[in-house]
Amino acid sequence: RKEVEQDPGPFNVPEGATVAFNCTYSNSASQSFFWYRQDCRKEPKLLMSVYSSGNEDGRFTAQLNRASQYISLLIRDSKLSDSATYLCVPRRAALIFGKGTTLSVSS
Amino acid sequence: DTGVSQDPRHKITKRGQNVTFRCDPISEHNRLYWYRQTLGQGPEFLTYFQNEAQLEKSRLLSDRFSAERPKGSFSTLEIQRTEQGDSAMYLCASRPGTSGYNEQFFGPGTRLTVL
Repeated sequence: RKEVEQDPGPFNVPEGATVAFNCTYSNSASQSFFWYRQDCRKEPKLLMSVYSSGNEDGRFTAQLNRASQYISLLIRDSKLSDSATYLCVPRRAALIFGKGTTLSVSS
Repeated sequence: DTGVSQDPRHKITKRGQNVTFRCDPISEHNRLYWYRQTLGQGPEFLTYFQNEAQLEKSRLLSDRFSAERPKGSFSTLEIQRTEQGDSAMYLCASRPGTSGYNEQFFGPGTRLTVL
């Protein structure tokens, strides 16, 4: 079983929609995570960190459910510029990425 | 530009040739990482350095791959006898060596095409 698994999508949503992704992980020792965002043919960039208390940054909300071993990312009021691949990663020295979830926001 | 830089940005080579990539991390970052990313996949960890010491290597890093960080600043990744399966984006990342696992800052990558 891979350490991190994500639904690759693509998730196709209209502007203004609310969309949520889940990421499941297998290592129960993982206590915090990163969500990275990667635009097509660009490098990953940090979107937010996720701890047991969750995190919110504007339109983005991340939650960590340690009992069920998944992390969620909720995007409200989607913008065209949110179109990207979203990667969840256990927070550790060497990052282990899943395939990511691709979001496409259309007008 | 004070971010992570990589050179070259693109490299096309013939199978069997050797290639070398360079990464310049953010200047105060003592941790440096190399990843490889193929189409449709997330980045895969290859190796990382703390200063000049190479602390961890992935099983993906075959004996054709070697990485160095001789003075604890820039790093090089060399691939010998390239194969078509080596075609990928090679990403470098760096972070400060403070306590906890801080965000890694990625460079723009070197895209390798092996013909």
